[in-house]
Amino acid sequence: EIVLTQSPGTLSLSPGERATLSCRASRSVSSNNLAWYQQKPGQAPRLLIDGASSRATGIPDRFSGSGSGSDFTLTISRLEPEDSAVYYCQQYGSSLRTFGQGTKVEIK
Amino acid sequence: QVQLVQSGAEVRKPGASVKVSCKASGYTFSNYYVHWVRQAPGQGLEWMGIINAGAGSTTYAQRFQGRLTVTRDTSTSTVYMDLSSLRSDDTAVYYCARELRTGATSGAGYWGQGTLVTVSS
Repeated sequence: EIVLTQSPGTLSLSPGERATLSCRASRSVSSNNLAWYQQKPGQAPRLLIDGASSRATGIPDRFSGSGSGSDFTLTISRLEPEDSAVYYCQQYGSSLRTFGQGTKVEIK
Repeated sequence: QVQLVQSGAEVRKPGASVKVSCKASGYTFSNYYVHWVRQAPGQGLEWMGIINAGAGSTTYAQRFQGRLTVTRDTSTSTVYMDLSSLRSDDTAVYYCARELRTGATSGAGYWGQGTLVTVSS
């Protein structure tokens, strides 16, 4: 199975700052089949980015995804207080889907 | 609108089995894949398995092989997750989730509300 490693574990930033979250795969993710999710406490995950760089419907344009092969990045260009959450990457290039362990974004 | 409504919380003893349902509405059930994902308390998301709701074919994460069975009933647009030989570390919130697009080529764009399964003696 493809192992996804996310970094950093926790990111603590102020409103308006830029957040850069990394997701590294143990081998290349075919067709850039990688998604990013946001999860707030007590809620189900919410799809943010699909296909490594396509924003899902209704997702603000401050969220962007990039990368290919085995290195992917989620960028939040200007943090808002409501962006406080845990963010997960998931690959669906393999029949055995896997998630990264998550990055917690805290807003100071 | 797409909705996935899961069955209610369950409590089981170690060694028992649990079956959680996920009733879909608002779309053509047989056209999409549905996943099961779980989250232990304070932990991350763990992918468990997937079913092609049309063909009924399944793929399971290796660690659940032999304990996990995912089925579907097309007459009621419901997907079921059956986990056997429960242990205390199976205590988690279990989610069903539907892919955004047909053909197992996208992330999970729609999620159920989650079902808490507690395994305790």
